[in-house]
Amino acid sequence: GENVEQHPSTLSVQEGDSAVIKCTYSDSASNYFPWYKQELGKRPQLIIDIRSNVGEKKDQRIAVTLNKTAKHFSLHITETQPEDSAVYFCAASRGSGSARQLTFGSGTQLTVLP
Amino acid sequence: DAGVIQSPRHEVTEMGQEVTLRCKPISGHDYLFWYRQTMMRGLELLIYFNNNVPIDDSGMPEDRFSAKMPNASFSTLKIQPSEPRDSAVYFCASSKTRGAGGSNEQFFGPGTRLTVL
Repeated sequence: GENVEQHPSTLSVQEGDSAVIKCTYSDSASNYFPWYKQELGKRPQLIIDIRSNVGEKKDQRIAVTLNKTAKHFSLHITETQPEDSAVYFCAASRGSGSARQLTFGSGTQLTVLP
Repeated sequence: DAGVIQSPRHEVTEMGQEVTLRCKPISGHDYLFWYRQTMMRGLELLIYFNNNVPIDDSGMPEDRFSAKMPNASFSTLKIQPSEPRDSAVYFCASSKTRGAGGSNEQFFGPGTRLTVL
């Protein structure tokens, strides 16, 4: 089955700096890669996702890049703000059309220092 | 829409007792997922349903765990008998079959924090 590795496990940045979280996956057939944000005591929520036919996707301060050859994808947050502090999970899955069985990474605790 | 609804939000029970967690997915969603989250093992998929039918239960840890979905608006996850190592946050999530250009987003419920003493 799929295995997703996520690094780093913790990340502290100064407000205004950029943060990068990296994930690798094992199943070359995986074609969908979402990122979820989980604030303390809250539920995971999707913040951005990318499909394998795209190399990069951006949404305001958040961007995700995908390298299918190397089987890794990354989350980039620019101009970080204290409210970006949370645990971020990457995930990978295969399939098409219908809902997907996700394999999650172990999470990254991001702390944005004011 | 109220989103995915889970009950109870917190459950404290003693080892050996039966525990039943409940979930109401978002109306119109045809997929339902049960996850377990712990510090040690992260976020694990236990089982998921499509149109009320269990598709993959390979993540269910053992026979003490069972899940049902009697109709499109209700699912249960039962642990019998419960053990201290079952203590975790259990999330239910739902999603909708993606049409052209649509999203595969899974919407999570608020979770049930289970503590087994």
